[in-house]
Amino acid sequence: EPEVTQTPSHQVTQMGQEVILRCVPISNHLYFYWYRQILGQKVEFLVSFYNNEISEKSEIFDDQFSVERPDGSNFTLKIRSTKLEDSAMYFCASSESHGVGGGETQYFGPGTRLLVL
Amino acid sequence: AQSVTQPDIHITVSEGASLELRCNYSYGATPYLFWYVQSPGQGLQLLLKYFSGDTLVQGIKGFEAEFKRSQSSFNLRKPSVHWSDAAEYFCAVRVNSWGKLQFGAGTQVVVTP
Repeated sequence: EPEVTQTPSHQVTQMGQEVILRCVPISNHLYFYWYRQILGQKVEFLVSFYNNEISEKSEIFDDQFSVERPDGSNFTLKIRSTKLEDSAMYFCASSESHGVGGGETQYFGPGTRLLVL
Repeated sequence: AQSVTQPDIHITVSEGASLELRCNYSYGATPYLFWYVQSPGQGLQLLLKYFSGDTLVQGIKGFEAEFKRSQSSFNLRKPSVHWSDAAEYFCAVRVNSWGKLQFGAGTQVVVTP
């Protein structure tokens, strides 16, 4: 069964450093998402992406964050200058369609646990 | 404000016993409703979803959920839990047919022998 994959599974970085989290969505999917879960808190939406553009972003997704689909398979989240409060589990999700005639189903990857020291 | 509430942070259940996890939402209209499960070290796996139609939906792993409009609830049930059901369960809602999901805080389920 096709699945969303994410690399790395864990990343430790120093405050102020740049990190890139990578995701490979399911191959025929067109809509891509990033969410994060700070330890002990809810899973929060960060950004959605379609047709090489951001569709929607949350207040969390400020200028320090960016997303890119550099090729036909990868979808990346970059944090330019990490802060302590960026420590979280970051989930990528993808969906095939926007569910015309029905609803969209998002499929999640296993997550990348980011620790900022 | 729109919200999703899972009142139970932690539930302990004996293997073979029934399980019910509560989810309430606060939205102006009927949202799209989901239950995801997260096993230790794993990602979020979709258990089931409700978009419209029959208010009792069946999912994977023997789970079902019932949408009750009058109570703004979408509770998850399983008649007989297995030790492998120990995990964290998240209710999620979406206002539109697509787009961002809003998650509840999650319910941690512990299964005892």
